[in-house]
Amino acid sequence: KAGVTQTPRYLIKTRGQQVTLSCSPISGHRSVSWYQQTPGQGLQFLFEYFSETQRNKGNFPGRFSGRQFSNSRSEMNVSTLELGDSALYLCASSRVRTDTQYFGPGTRLTVL
Amino acid sequence: TQLLEQSPQFLSIQEGENLTVYCNSSSVFSSLQWYRQEPGEGPVLLVTVVTGGEVKKLKRLTFQFGDARKDSSLHITAAQPGDTGLYLCAGMDTGRRALTFGSGTRLQVQP
Repeated sequence: KAGVTQTPRYLIKTRGQQVTLSCSPISGHRSVSWYQQTPGQGLQFLFEYFSETQRNKGNFPGRFSGRQFSNSRSEMNVSTLELGDSALYLCASSRVRTDTQYFGPGTRLTVL
Repeated sequence: TQLLEQSPQFLSIQEGENLTVYCNSSSVFSSLQWYRQEPGEGPVLLVTVVTGGEVKKLKRLTFQFGDARKDSSLHITAAQPGDTGLYLCAGMDTGRRALTFGSGTRLQVQP
């Protein structure tokens, strides 16, 4: 069974631009979560989607948003990029009513 | 806000030595997951422990979940250079459906 896939793997943007990252969960997994990983803050929860609905959101500004499609694929968007948004963005998927989350390889975003 | 304190932050040992990594919290988690992460890659799941007092073994790795489900440990026996990496513990906050991560333990095993 294929794992979680994320595209693109690398992105370079400039301040003020916006970016969209994509995640395809493991087949059969309907819950998708997003995390941001930085050297200073570690891994932090962004949001979680299930059945095309955002169920929970972490402590991030409104510039960070996401959505989930009917096939469970998910996208996250960051608008008005800031230098501090440079990070590894990780997507994780899980089955319904289970805790275990499986992570994708991540998208490395660099904001110049 | 739930916090997970992971220790030690860094560990450099010789091949064949044993080691233990700890994760502690004042909060109760519904489960605790351990991951290993290589530079530039996503965390790879090692194990999920769910029941208080649970012990799981994965070859030379032994994972334990505390009785009160607030802490966990990872013990590696006879470490090998291939064990080198960043080890992360993560507790599931069922209410938020979100993982709270420890800060990680960077392990280096010298041949």
